[in-house]
Order: sequence, then C-alpha cells, then structure tokens
Amino acid sequence: RKEVEQDPGPFNVPEGATVAFNCTYSNSASQSFFWYRQDCRKEPKLLMSVYSSGNEDGRFTAQLNRASQYISLLIRDSKLSDSATYLCVVNIGNQFYFGTGTSLTVIP
Amino acid sequence: NAGVTQTPKFQVLKTGQSMTLQCAQDMNHNSMYWYRQDPGMGLRLIYYSASEGTTDKGEVPNGYNVSRLNKREFSLRLESAAPSQTSVYFCASTRYRGADYGYTFGSGTRLTVV
Repeated sequence: RKEVEQDPGPFNVPEGATVAFNCTYSNSASQSFFWYRQDCRKEPKLLMSVYSSGNEDGRFTAQLNRASQYISLLIRDSKLSDSATYLCVVNIGNQFYFGTGTSLTVIP
Repeated sequence: NAGVTQTPKFQVLKTGQSMTLQCAQDMNHNSMYWYRQDPGMGLRLIYYSASEGTTDKGEVPNGYNVSRLNKREFSLRLESAAPSQTSVYFCASTRYRGADYGYTFGSGTRLTVV
C-alpha cells in the first residue's frame, strides 16, 4: 500500500471556481504534512505546510484530519495561473513521501 | 541566492555507461535527498543524507550510489546505466531531517538511457 494516495484527476475548472483536493496517508506516525505545486517540466515547489488546526494562505486553505488520516487543499477563486499538479507530501522520520499528484487546469 | 543547483540538466547515455549527477546547495541545509520522478509513479526516494557524513537508502536504491562530499554537495552515481533508469532526477535539501520545513528542490536532470 502506498504511503500517500491522491486522486490524479484531472480537475478542469472555470476561472473563479472553488476546487478541493484530498489526500490520504497510511502511516499514523506521520509527523508533518505539506502541499507542493509542480508546473509542467519543473521542480516541485512548497505551496504550504498543513497544520492540525488548519491554515490559510490567501486563496488557499489546508486542513489535516489525523483521526481519518487525510489532508485537503481548498483553492478559492481559481486563477489561470493555478493550473499545475498539486502534490501531497507526508513526513515520517527522516523521509518525505509524495503522492502522485492531482492535475488542475483552470479554464478561461 | 542559487538554492539547489543540479548539473547536468539533460543527459543521454548508452546502456552500460556510467555518470555522476551533481547537486549543490548554498542554504546551509543539513539534509539532502535524491529522488526520481516517473509518470504515474510520483517522486520516489533513491538515497538521502540526513547530515554530513551519513547516507542511507531510500525506496529505490538499486543501481545507484551516492556521496555526500561535504555539507554543500551530494552526488548520485549510476555505475552501469539501464533503460529503466530513464527518468527525471531531482535533488532536494532541507534544514533539518524530518522537520516542519519542507524541501527545496533543484531544477532536475532529465536522463535518457538508450
């Protein structure tokens, strides 16, 4: 079983829409959680960390549910520039485990 | 501020050839990592170095070796390249192992083995 599972999508949404991605993780000992963004043929870049209390950064909101072992990312008022692949990442000890990513395309 | 620098950016090898991928970071990070990314597989850890002087295997270490040359540099070597090693390779670093800081990635090396 994979450490981190994501719906690969693709998600195709119109500009201005709200879109949510979910990710589940298998190891209850997971310590830290992140969302990364990866543009086509580029390296992943940290979008935001995910905290138990939930956290917000502008149009982006991340939530963590330890009991159900999932994390979520909500994007409000989608922009064309939000088109990318979003990677869910879980840290256990020395290692970080990546989901395969969810593809988002925002359509004009 | 360069961050994490990888060289080369592109490489084509013949089966059986060897090569070393170079990675250097200028952020005084302690931990460094090598990943490969394949379609549908996501990023998979090859080797990591939690601190200078230590290296450990990740999920897919077979066919690779690493050297943590100093705090800044962490190289990945393919001794005898195989077509299955065709992939995009990313180096990453973080300040502390397992801490709540996330990674900084290099821009990647696109390797094709023919």
